[in-house]
Amino acid sequence: GAVVSQHPSRVICKSGTSVKIECRSLDFQATTMFWYRQFPKQSLMLMATSNEGSKATYEQGVEKDKFLINHASLTLSTLTVTSAHPEDSSFYICSASYRGRNTGELFFGEGSRLTVL
Amino acid sequence: QQQVKQSPQSLIVQKGGISIINCAYENTAFDYFPWYQQFPGKGPALLIAIRPDVSEKKEGRFTISFNKSAKQFSLHIMDSQPGDSATYFCAASRMDTGRRALTFGSGTRLQVQP
Repeated sequence: GAVVSQHPSRVICKSGTSVKIECRSLDFQATTMFWYRQFPKQSLMLMATSNEGSKATYEQGVEKDKFLINHASLTLSTLTVTSAHPEDSSFYICSASYRGRNTGELFFGEGSRLTVL
Repeated sequence: QQQVKQSPQSLIVQKGGISIINCAYENTAFDYFPWYQQFPGKGPALLIAIRPDVSEKKEGRFTISFNKSAKQFSLHIMDSQPGDSATYFCAASRMDTGRRALTFGSGTRLQVQP
């Protein structure tokens, strides 16, 4: 099956620091990866679409300079929360689709819980 | 704005009963309708999915019913078990400016009582 791995699963940091979250497709190549944010008891909100070798596409209202996305290879995308503040505390989830497939199937990572003190 | 409306917000079912979650959409460009199951502190896991050219898809205890004319689809969980207690999200996908866009419903918290 398609496995998407996220690291770290939990991170606690001080306000003002930057945090990097990695998303890897372990057994398939993903041309496109997606980053979501989820608040407690709420649905998933798409933050940005990460394309290998090109700039990410951000959703309206998402700060590009706050949430830096890099998709360096077909199996790795990173989300860096810069100068994190308590309001950035959330559950961040990535997903990926198979390279070359346009079926709509997305495979999700286990999520990363960010707590900013 | 593209939306997928999901109901109910929460659902309590007795063990062995049928759990039914409903979703409705507006945009006819959606061409793929997955359901995801999410346990607390975990990422969503694809449960079952359907395309609009079929009216029903069954996988084990899980069935999707799809009504294209009404723009509605639903998830039925037969013989519900306590282990099915989770949050369920419906979603709809379409191509948008050359990329796949997935829109989630608001989620349904299912509790199956033993």
